[in-house]
Amino acid sequence: GAGVSQSPRYKVAKRGQDVALRCDPISGHVSLFWYQQALGQGPEFLTYFQNEAQLDKSGLPSDRFFAERPEGSVSTLKIQRTQQEDSAVYLCASSLDPAGVTDTQYFGPGTRLTVL
Amino acid sequence: GNSVTQMEGPVTLSEEAFLTINCTYTATGYPSLFWYVQYPGEGLQLLLKATKADDKGSNKGFEATYRKETTSFHLEKGSVQVSDSAVYFCALSANSGGYQKVTFGTGTKLQVIP
Repeated sequence: GAGVSQSPRYKVAKRGQDVALRCDPISGHVSLFWYQQALGQGPEFLTYFQNEAQLDKSGLPSDRFFAERPEGSVSTLKIQRTQQEDSAVYLCASSLDPAGVTDTQYFGPGTRLTVL
Repeated sequence: GNSVTQMEGPVTLSEEAFLTINCTYTATGYPSLFWYVQYPGEGLQLLLKATKADDKGSNKGFEATYRKETTSFHLEKGSVQVSDSAVYFCALSANSGGYQKVTFGTGTKLQVIP
């Protein structure tokens, strides 16, 4: 497709359940980012992949959060034992040139996670 | 660390009014600066960007100038339309260990009334 896609668009989970969120980046984009956007806030960085390598996971809020990109294209963000504070919109973005100062990140529509 | 501060909303304007949304930043080095827009129910879209001091980014009637001396990147539009109602995010991108890491402001909601 032409843009970044994410699925599901909406996810409702009971507290304690595991969830998996999928991101399909723009074809050929080297870099992939995950962000968490709480209600009324700007996106907060979670993690960064360059191809299949996870180079920065400093933004992951706890060890319940895990991300992978095994073949350097599709990525999955997994949250184990979900808590109410995990409720947010999870955004995926991709970009072409990881080190280019003019590089631009292109965002998907996000997955809205609600933990009951 | 890097940070972005933008004016709090919501901002309510009448159609055809002049818009300014203030944005200032703190960063080491020479970041690139961006404005993203988020329409209701949609994802973030890049509105405009500037990559060096004194550059002016522009798109859809919006513009912003990278002012290094005041560390600012204020968004302006001469005549807003109802369709401009959205949340606007100022952001900076700076090198962090070999890649461009983006830091966002908290967003400013704009409501344009007919």
